[in-house]
Amino acid sequence: AQSVTQLGSHVSVSEGALVLLRCNYSSSVPPYLFWYVQYPNQGLQLLLKYTTGATLVKGINGFEAEFKKSETSFHLTKPSAHMSDAAEYFCAVSPNTNAGKSTFGDGTTLTVKP
Amino acid sequence: DAGVTQSPTHLIKTRGQQVTLRCSPKSGHDTVSWYQQALGQGPQFIFQYYEEEERQRGNFPDRFSGHQFPNYSSELNVNALLLGDSALYLCASSLTREGRRRELFFGEGSRLTVL
Repeated sequence: AQSVTQLGSHVSVSEGALVLLRCNYSSSVPPYLFWYVQYPNQGLQLLLKYTTGATLVKGINGFEAEFKKSETSFHLTKPSAHMSDAAEYFCAVSPNTNAGKSTFGDGTTLTVKP
Repeated sequence: DAGVTQSPTHLIKTRGQQVTLRCSPKSGHDTVSWYQQALGQGPQFIFQYYEEEERQRGNFPDRFSGHQFPNYSSELNVNALLLGDSALYLCASSLTREGRRRELFFGEGSRLTVL
């Protein structure tokens, strides 16, 4: 069984400030972990993923996340927010054999203030 | 390189009707997963097709069924529509390699409204 908890359904930051979106997961098997971004009326775009190897993963648009097994966390960060980062962000976990069977969190809406 | 394409993009049905949604996977991909995303929620896994068979299923009733064709494209069928079936239906494709599927590519979705 898998589950994802995204702490904070809404996060607001100023342009240029640090972005931190929190994700905790549970999984009965070794996991794959993902962050996706969704713009209004669009599908999901993969930001980054952890499958194996290095626990600090870098993604597109300056985002990165660190897999911390002991804390069952996979928080998403970006050093400096841009207006174009405003969107809905989803954390997801899957078994490490099948990304297609992912369990998603409820999402975090990121607002970026000028 | 064509990504995942879904049709139709929007549709409106009434309660009790049936609907078919279609998905063409990303070029080179052989596995299709379907998700339902209700308003304000994260996507929920419906089922996954590989080699023309349903391989995994989430917690959805039998009213939800699917099919995969030899060209890897897929259909999602929903019978006896309920108001609660109103949602964005997302198709995601992946490549099965050595028994693993490491990444998903999502389509733009089909927005179903049930009146």
